[in-house]
Amino acid sequence: QVQLVQSGAEVKKPGSSVKVSCQASGGTFGSYAIIWVRQAPGQGLEWMGKMTPIHDTTNYAQKFQGRVTITADKSTSTAYMELSSLRSEDTAVYYCAREGETVTRLRYFYYYMDVWGKGTPVTVSS
Amino acid sequence: DIQMTQSPSSLSASVGDRVTISCRASQSISSYLNWYQQKPGTAPKLLIYAASSLQSGVPSRFSGSGSGTDFTLTISSLQPEDFAIYYCQQSYSFPITFGQGTRLEIK
Repeated sequence: QVQLVQSGAEVKKPGSSVKVSCQASGGTFGSYAIIWVRQAPGQGLEWMGKMTPIHDTTNYAQKFQGRVTITADKSTSTAYMELSSLRSEDTAVYYCAREGETVTRLRYFYYYMDVWGKGTPVTVSS
Repeated sequence: DIQMTQSPSSLSASVGDRVTISCRASQSISSYLNWYQQKPGTAPKLLIYAASSLQSGVPSRFSGSGSGTDFTLTISSLQPEDFAIYYCQQSYSFPITFGQGTRLEIK
């Protein structure tokens, strides 16, 4: 069973960057995509982007284009999410999740987030 | 972007009640709809994928239905551990989007 272990809480100054890690255990890292989702205090869930290590491809939400970089180190089974030019509105819990996949008999692919890390709180404050 | 709208935003119910939560997409998403449950201080948990498929280990009192633009999550008989926030999420196209959440509270 895949488990995702995230790095610890961070406190950052406005304008700086943060890099959150997500280490996978169990399963075959790289055979599934890793997704990053954030949740501001008292707010809902916001998809930031995903990386598919086996294809070395990334997709980012337009909102974060140019500020977010998702990478993966297959040798350590670790994914990373780096967010730059931080502002107070970036204060949130950042989650990584595995993208699960189901294929139907008619070859329809369904994707979902079936394994989640515990989240990494990031506080941006001067 | 596809907008996902849940209703109601909050709901009070009692143990044993049957509860339905609705989710509407701003355009057709076929069956590319997932449901999650989130309890305070914890990560979301997948309940239903592909609109109606029950995730392994999730109690059978949870069910999902719908296709196109209108979807429903039903809890057939509420249990104390079901009081949480529920989110729908479309996986039809990028960017992936979530509903705003439905808070299910104890009456």
